Amino acid sequence: NAGVTQTPKFRVLKTGQSMTLLCAQDMNHEYMYWYRQDPGMGLRLIHYSVGEGTTAKGEVPDGYNVSRLKKQNFLLGLESAAPSQTSVYFCASSYVGRSYGYTFGSGTRLTVV
Amino acid sequence: EDQVTQSPEALRLQEGESSSLNCSYTVSGLRGLFWYRQDPGKGPEFLFTLYSAGEEKEKERLKATLTKKESFLHITAPKPEDSATYLCAVQGGKLIFGQGTELSVKP
Repeated sequence: NAGVTQTPKFRVLKTGQSMTLLCAQDMNHEYMYWYRQDPGMGLRLIHYSVGEGTTAKGEVPDGYNVSRLKKQNFLLGLESAAPSQTSVYFCASSYVGRSYGYTFGSGTRLTVV
Repeated sequence: EDQVTQSPEALRLQEGESSSLNCSYTVSGLRGLFWYRQDPGKGPEFLFTLYSAGEEKEKERLKATLTKKESFLHITAPKPEDSATYLCAVQGGKLIFGQGTELSVKP
């Protein structure tokens, strides 16, 4: 049982390049999330999804796009990377219902130069 | 505006030295308060959910408590393997994470 798997684990991009971060969960969770974690800023929600085919904006969505074509996968895209997007990105998933905490992946460390 | 503040930012303990971490919050309509543990280079790992003042949850050496304004994570007789960053998150209209307390336990 892998839980939440993120790929890649590390990536260096040049300003203006694009990339897609992949997130896969094998727990049949309905909800999935993308967060970024920066020193002194805590975890901030980028986008989230409450089910296959649905997505919504979080706290810091600018510069990112997402897709949830399959229930188990949630993709985060950067169309034109900027140095301000240098961060550690975490994907998480959860069951529907208030008693369940999130299951996080191990993160993607992205550097934009 | 909903807010979460964790203190202290960092805490250094000797093995066996019990202490508490604090999570103060301001939220309109608390729907849940969560504690997570995060090891370096890893994602947060869910520990507890608390819903109402007076509620307590325990797991091994950790005990979480909740009042109307704050939550405490009590660590009893910590071991070096308890070293990690502990995150608090509150669910009101949205989920807000605190910045965490970095705990270091020395043998």
